[in-house]
Amino acid sequence: ETGVTQSPTHLIKTRGQQVTLRCSSQSGHNTVSWYQQALGQGPQFIFQYYREEENGRGNFPPRFSGLQFPNYSSELNVNALELDDSALYLCASSPSRFPRKMDDEQYFGPGTRLTVT
Amino acid sequence: AQTVTQSQPEMSVQEAETVTLSCTYDTSESDYYLFWYKQPPSRQMILVIRQEAYKQQNATENRFSVNFQKAAKSFSLKISDSQLGDAAMYFCAYRSMNRDDKIIFGKGTRLHILP
Repeated sequence: ETGVTQSPTHLIKTRGQQVTLRCSSQSGHNTVSWYQQALGQGPQFIFQYYREEENGRGNFPPRFSGLQFPNYSSELNVNALELDDSALYLCASSPSRFPRKMDDEQYFGPGTRLTVT
Repeated sequence: AQTVTQSQPEMSVQEAETVTLSCTYDTSESDYYLFWYKQPPSRQMILVIRQEAYKQQNATENRFSVNFQKAAKSFSLKISDSQLGDAAMYFCAYRSMNRDDKIIFGKGTRLHILP
């Protein structure tokens, strides 16, 4: 157990719809990152938030957006869903923006499996 | 851009034996971290081991150890005394020491433990 939770566990949406995925980090973790993991692939970085501001972004279009809240929760929003958005979405939090020791590295949640039909 | 390559999609090992998972990476940076993550069927990604590029000594965590060859850009994971609970997807990953955002993952190696 990493102390990071995500909801829902599974979700089915139709192409063109919008979806919101949620993540709850450990208390004190002020950095949260989101990753997309397609079937049979490694996770791909979507973006990172630090103290409620976007801190870095991967090669994902603007229809992927996020929010981070002061209570250590965060959201990933995806608009205009496409079939290729079907994947496992992982959030990861850490207590330090620049981890210097192994215990400060990112702690991953169990993910949300999104299916777009 | 940095890349991480895992050339072994699947591996099997007999319980109690030793297995080595391979990883190569490409970067022009000199300061970075390398990781091995484990993702069991429950999906929760767990950090197994971390290596700082500036350290010559190979990292070890109990039954897990790495062979870090910086010049060759090679980073393999050795699991000793394999246990049934080691069965999982293993991802090799990279993070720049000078950036605080993304971790770059390989495609993974699925490890089967044979009883």
